Amino acid sequence: QQQVKQSPQSLIVQKGGISIINCAYENTAFDYFPWYQQFPGKGPALLIAIRPDVSEKKEGRFTISFNKSAKQFSLHIMDSQPGDSATYFCAATIRNSGGSNYKLTFGKGTLLTVNP
Amino acid sequence: NAGVTQTPKFQVLKTGQSMTLQCAQDMNHEYMSWYRQDPGMGLRLIHYSVGAGITDQGEVPNGYNVSRSTTEDFPLRLLSAAPSQTSVYFCASSSRQGAQHQPQHFGDGTRLSIL
Repeated sequence: QQQVKQSPQSLIVQKGGISIINCAYENTAFDYFPWYQQFPGKGPALLIAIRPDVSEKKEGRFTISFNKSAKQFSLHIMDSQPGDSATYFCAATIRNSGGSNYKLTFGKGTLLTVNP
Repeated sequence: NAGVTQTPKFQVLKTGQSMTLQCAQDMNHEYMSWYRQDPGMGLRLIHYSVGAGITDQGEVPNGYNVSRSTTEDFPLRLLSAAPSQTSVYFCASSSRQGAQHQPQHFGDGTRLSIL
């Protein structure tokens, strides 16, 4: 059972365009939703994250939109740049008493290509 | 500050061989995890540890063993390598700090091929 479903698998966007990646989850116990960015040959790195009590979070050109009732969240990259070309993973976790998200459930990833 | 260091970066094994993937972190993080990444599958949790001497299974633990004798190190052992274990393996660590979620810090991976 795939608990976090991510789409699309791949995405091609022109420079300056908006990239949108969608995720849906099933486990209503999830309470923290990070996005990770991965460049070839490197490990994933945290990009932005959101809690379910917030409907939107923006950091620079990156925005997460969260719809708790629909159990969906999405990443929007405004003014996409060639340097944004990478694989993006959504993830979900359940906060433990210590506050650390050490058990992440990942989506399958989206390969984003931004053409110049 | 090196962060999370994984060795080796590349390894080729024959079926049935054993090996240990090393992971070390210098951030004094309590939590450490191992993931495997396969094409089109995302990252899947193999084993994790919430502190020295404490480990538990993740989503895909079969064929792998772990131990956590120190806070810094979290090695992953393949007892008898199988072609299905060909993958890229990532180690991650995170801190236990208050009630806020702490990001996981990933190493750059070990690319393992089993013939």
